[in-house]
Order: sequence, then C-alpha cells, then structure tokens
Amino acid sequence: GAGVSQTPSNKVTEKGKYVELRCDPISGHTALYWYRQSLGQGPEFLIYFQGTGAADDSGLPNDRFFAVRPEGSVSTLKIQRTERGDSAVYLCASSLNTANTEAFFGQGTRLTVV
Amino acid sequence: GDSVTQMEGPVTLSEEAFLTINCTYTATGYPSLFWYVQYPGEGLQLLLKATKADDKGSNKGFEATYRKETTSFHLEKGSVQVSDSAVYFCALSDRANDYKLSFGAGTTVTVRA
Repeated sequence: GAGVSQTPSNKVTEKGKYVELRCDPISGHTALYWYRQSLGQGPEFLIYFQGTGAADDSGLPNDRFFAVRPEGSVSTLKIQRTERGDSAVYLCASSLNTANTEAFFGQGTRLTVV
Repeated sequence: GDSVTQMEGPVTLSEEAFLTINCTYTATGYPSLFWYVQYPGEGLQLLLKATKADDKGSNKGFEATYRKETTSFHLEKGSVQVSDSAVYFCALSDRANDYKLSFGAGTTVTVRA
C-alpha cells in the first residue's frame, strides 16, 4: 500500500509475555519513528531510526523495550516481559528524511496486557 | 526540553460555530509547529504546519499562525461541520532533536448538527 502499515492492529497478551510489533514504512522513507500513545494523552517519542541505525532511543522507557530496522525499511518494536502499564497504542511514522519533512503515521497497534 | 500545552477538552459545538483551540509551546531552538488530527477510527494526519515565525498554516478551512512573541500556535476555524469531529493535537519538531515530534495531550472536538 501507499501508506505506513502497522501489524497487528490489535494485540492482547498476558503479563510477562514477549510481543513484537511491526511497522512497514512508506517506500523510500529513510526516517522512521516509534511513538506510544496512552489513553487520553498525546503520542510520546520512543525511538528514531535513520536508515538501519537507531539514531535516538532516548524515549524507550526501560531495557524491556528494543527496536530494530535491519534493512532500513521494516522495523520491529520488541517488548519483553510485558507489564500492564505497557498497554497503549504504539504508533509508527516515517518521513522522506529528517530535514523537516512531513511525518506520515500508521494506524497504530493497540496493545493490551492482561 | 521541548513541550507543548494545549487547551483541555472536550469541546462540544454546534454546526457553523467558531472553533478555537489554544496551543502554547516551549522550545530551546526554532521549532516547526504542527496541528495533527485524528478522526474516529483513523490514524494521525497532518492538518497544517508552519515552519517559522509569522507563518500561517491553513487547510480545510482551519488556520493557525506561528506567534513567536507569545510562543503560541492557536487553531481556528470559522464555521465547523459535523465532519470536523475529531481529536486535535498540537505538536512541534526541532532540528536540535532530530525533528522528533513533541505532542500536546490532544483536544477532543464534537460538532453537533
């Protein structure tokens, strides 16, 4: 498709389990961002990739969270030992480059930890 | 660090009413300012943006002017429609922060026919 694609759209997991969330950015976009949106809040930055490398992971809340982008396109956000507080909508955005161009968002993955 | 404060909602209006949502920001550099909109069941979409002081962004009848002296970027629309019902987010990005977006908490707007 032409837009940013995120899968799954919904994920319910048990506390303590491992989850992977996938983001397929717009073709040709080198910059990729992950955000987390809790209920009633605006999105909060998690991590930013420029190409294959994580240029800024300062928003990751702790070492249970990790993200990769091995070929500079698809990215996977990985959460280990999930906790109920991890429940949120995880948003991915991509932009052509980082020079102040528009960021396009996917529809998000709603993660619920029970 | 960078931050955005926007008017709390929810806001409920009648069709054809005037809408304004206040947004103020704090930034160390010279940010670009954005309004994003999230319609029910859809993803975040860029509504409008302004990249420097005194710029006016506009789209779909919405306007916002970048006011450096008051560090504000208020969103306005003169005559709202039911289809404008959505959550509106003010945001900024800054070259010093690799253009990652800092968002406000969002304002839910409901327009009644």
